[in-house]
Amino acid sequence: ETGVTQTPRHLVMGMTNKKSLKCEQHLGHNAMYWYKQSAKKPLELMFVYNFKEQTENNSVPSRFSPECPNSSHLFLHLHTLQPEDSALYLCASSQDGIRTGKLAEQETQYFGPGTRLLVL
Amino acid sequence: AQKITQTQPGMFVQEKEAVTLDCTYDTSDQSYGLFWYKQPSSGEMIFLIYQGSYDEQNATEGRYSLNFQKARKSANLVISASQLGDSAMYFCAMRERDTGRRALTFGSGTRLQVQP
Repeated sequence: ETGVTQTPRHLVMGMTNKKSLKCEQHLGHNAMYWYKQSAKKPLELMFVYNFKEQTENNSVPSRFSPECPNSSHLFLHLHTLQPEDSALYLCASSQDGIRTGKLAEQETQYFGPGTRLLVL
Repeated sequence: AQKITQTQPGMFVQEKEAVTLDCTYDTSDQSYGLFWYKQPSSGEMIFLIYQGSYDEQNATEGRYSLNFQKARKSANLVISASQLGDSAMYFCAMRERDTGRRALTFGSGTRLQVQP
């Protein structure tokens, strides 16, 4: 099993559509993340979940709605998006919260392949 | 001020040669972690190497090594014996621990092209 999977890999949607991005991790991690990568901009953190609880929201507009039903699954629900929301959306997971005594193990985030989103 | 600065938008290297990708960081935290990721054109971010702020030795992982100079706040990635498959975007990232946040802050990246 690939460590972190994301579906769909590509998505084209109109501004009035509602769609969802799915992320699943098979690494036994408890923290999951959504990042946005726009053209010509560094990766930006959107949301952080730890043991299914949202711990960080980086001032993301409400048209993006995350959901984390368990430590292995993370969703990003999209509605009434704007063309400027077109980007690569990356999901990541890490062991954070599970003290292993090795910070590299705890903190390293492993990413999925991303969903390329185009909003028309 | 940018927390992670990668001053080289693009780099070229001949196959089998070594290349250094620069990264400087800005933090007032005493405890932090530094990461390098590779992003091929497919989009996936691949973890390469980690350096903790208290680690006295420079990190190494196969052909990757991290030249960590704490006083200068630099964490350059060295790739030895470049291969054509190393062509990709490379990102430096930092996690600041004192605030308790789990987020990684990324630089703008360096596009490396390995030439045969």
